[in-house]
Amino acid sequence: DIQMTQSPSFLSASVGERVTLSCKASQNINKYLDWYQQKLGEAPTLLIYNTKNLHTGIPSTFSGSGSGTDYTLTISSLQPEDVATYFCLQRNVWPYMFGSGTKLELK
Amino acid sequence: EVQLVESGGGLVQPGRSMKLSCAASGFTFSNHYMAWVRQAPTKGLEWVASISTGGGNTFYRDSVKGRFTASRDNAKSTLYLQMDSLRSEDTATYYCARHDWYFDFWGPGTMVTVSS
Repeated sequence: DIQMTQSPSFLSASVGERVTLSCKASQNINKYLDWYQQKLGEAPTLLIYNTKNLHTGIPSTFSGSGSGTDYTLTISSLQPEDVATYFCLQRNVWPYMFGSGTKLELK
Repeated sequence: EVQLVESGGGLVQPGRSMKLSCAASGFTFSNHYMAWVRQAPTKGLEWVASISTGGGNTFYRDSVKGRFTASRDNAKSTLYLQMDSLRSEDTATYYCARHDWYFDFWGPGTMVTVSS
């Protein structure tokens, strides 16, 4: 199985700050990498698919990049409503594997 | 508006069975793969199973293969997950998700607790 490693596990940042979350795969996943946001007590929601494509309704403050084994989710200006846990998902091969998540909080 | 609503969760003893349902609305159910994803308490997300549009192809993670069966009734726009030989490690919130390559819509989830 492909292992997905997210870093950091926990991140504290200020409103307006630029935030970068990392996701590393144990092998090349050919940009089949998605990002999900999960707010406390809620179901996950899709943010970005295929590395860089914003899902419908997702603000442009979110962006994704990467290739091969290394991928990044960037929030250009952190807002209070962005407080959540963020998970990456590889779907290049079965079984699909999620990362362990990055919990993002306000400083 | 796409809506997915899971049901059927609860408390079940180890070794017993349980069947989850997911009622879909707001889209043409028969045109989309569907999936089950679970989340153990305070843990991360884990893909469990996916099923093709007609139900003829199913995919499972190894830890549930042979114990869980995903199925669907396109006439009722409903997805199912039959869970047999349940173990304590199956305790989780189970989400159904529309699987359009990525998981673009999710239900609120139903909690399954496996305990004696």
